[in-house]
Amino acid sequence: DTAVSQTPKYLVTQMGNDKSIKCEQNLGHDTMYWYKQDSKKFLKIMFSYNNKELIINETVPNRFSPKSPDKAHLNLHINSLELGDSAVYFCASSQLLQGMNTEAFFGQGTRLTVV
Amino acid sequence: DQQVKQNSPSLSVQEGRISILNCDYTNSMFDYFLWYKKYPAEGPTFLISISSIKDKNEDGRFTVFLNKSAKHLSLHIVPSQPGDSAVYFCAAIPYTGNQFYFGTGTSLTVIP
Repeated sequence: DTAVSQTPKYLVTQMGNDKSIKCEQNLGHDTMYWYKQDSKKFLKIMFSYNNKELIINETVPNRFSPKSPDKAHLNLHINSLELGDSAVYFCASSQLLQGMNTEAFFGQGTRLTVV
Repeated sequence: DQQVKQNSPSLSVQEGRISILNCDYTNSMFDYFLWYKKYPAEGPTFLISISSIKDKNEDGRFTVFLNKSAKHLSLHIVPSQPGDSAVYFCAAIPYTGNQFYFGTGTSLTVIP
């Protein structure tokens, strides 16, 4: 059973389209994240949710909107896709224990290509 | 502003030898450090971690060393195996941590 699963694995779409990436974790974790890995392979935090509440929102265009319907899900919706949005997007989850984070578990990534 | 840095983008090592991957950080609030391994087309997988109250943590062939005064950590793999060929990311969490800060990764190739 996959601990953190995200779909789709590959997504090719045209500029201007709206798309969503889904993420689910079955680890019972209370914190979920979206990371973006750009062409330079740098893993950069986009959003973090703890118990469905947004706790980190880095400098990300408003076109990106995360949605957490429950603790086990954190979906990422992207409006008006641009060429520069092409990247690999990783979902992750972790558990806060006594205010401290444990290791994060990552999904397999979604390679988004905007053409 | 990158707070976790891996200055070697790649490293090649002969099978059976030691691999040493290095990581430097700038934020003195970092309290917990992790190493992740990543194969192509897969997500990063957790490898080993160390708390700032320790200077060494060992798990089988993998040992992480932390030098707080130098703000430096390293991952030692011994003996290196071809299956260890992957990209290795170091990560750090601040004491009030809700976020993992990642380095840019080091691509390790273990030559049979």
